[in-house]
Amino acid sequence: DVKVTQSSRYLVKRTGEKVFLECVQDMDHENMFWYRQDPGLGLRLIYFSYDVKMKEKGDIPEGYSVSREKKERFSLILESASTNQTSMYLCASSLSFGSRGGYTFGSGTRLTVV
Amino acid sequence: DAKTTQPPSMDCAEGRAANLPCNHSTISGNEYVYWYRQIHSQGPQYIIHGLKNNETNEMASLIITEDRKSSTLILPHATLRDTAVYYCIVRGYGGSQGNLIFGKGTKLSVKP
Repeated sequence: DVKVTQSSRYLVKRTGEKVFLECVQDMDHENMFWYRQDPGLGLRLIYFSYDVKMKEKGDIPEGYSVSREKKERFSLILESASTNQTSMYLCASSLSFGSRGGYTFGSGTRLTVV
Repeated sequence: DAKTTQPPSMDCAEGRAANLPCNHSTISGNEYVYWYRQIHSQGPQYIIHGLKNNETNEMASLIITEDRKSSTLILPHATLRDTAVYYCIVRGYGGSQGNLIFGKGTKLSVKP
């Protein structure tokens, strides 16, 4: 069964900490995405990557960075965590922008910044 | 802004068909209609997609009107496990057109 795996299900961090959220997919997908989900705001795209070492800003990139050193792994980095970054973070992957297939999502990481 | 309009909530009796509508009146010729669902505390799950023909898979059927301005997702025999938020998304291809833009979806409650 194909999978997108997020390293942590729940995470609690302190304000100002540097936080790494890891995502690994085993489907040899080209594209990977990071979303955050908040009540009343739905899913919002933070960053995406369509190839190793390539990245593009989504709708809300401020306060975040990403890293994609290997095809299967896409990391989201909170440079200095703040309480307004408390959220559910979802990673997804897809075969390519040219394909018609759907996205596969991970189970999410619920991050609380205190 | 989201390109789709869905009712915020719907109820369905267990064992009956659930018909979830979606309006996408500004859809362009190269955009597909996708449906995802999200069960509480899980990541979204892909259900089905289509361009202009009706589609069916093991999970659901997708009916797209001839003018492509609206569609309906059909769960033929809803179960309690189908209780979830259902998202209808239109998506183009190439560059950022390929990004999924989620609206607020329809919260489907399947009742015994």
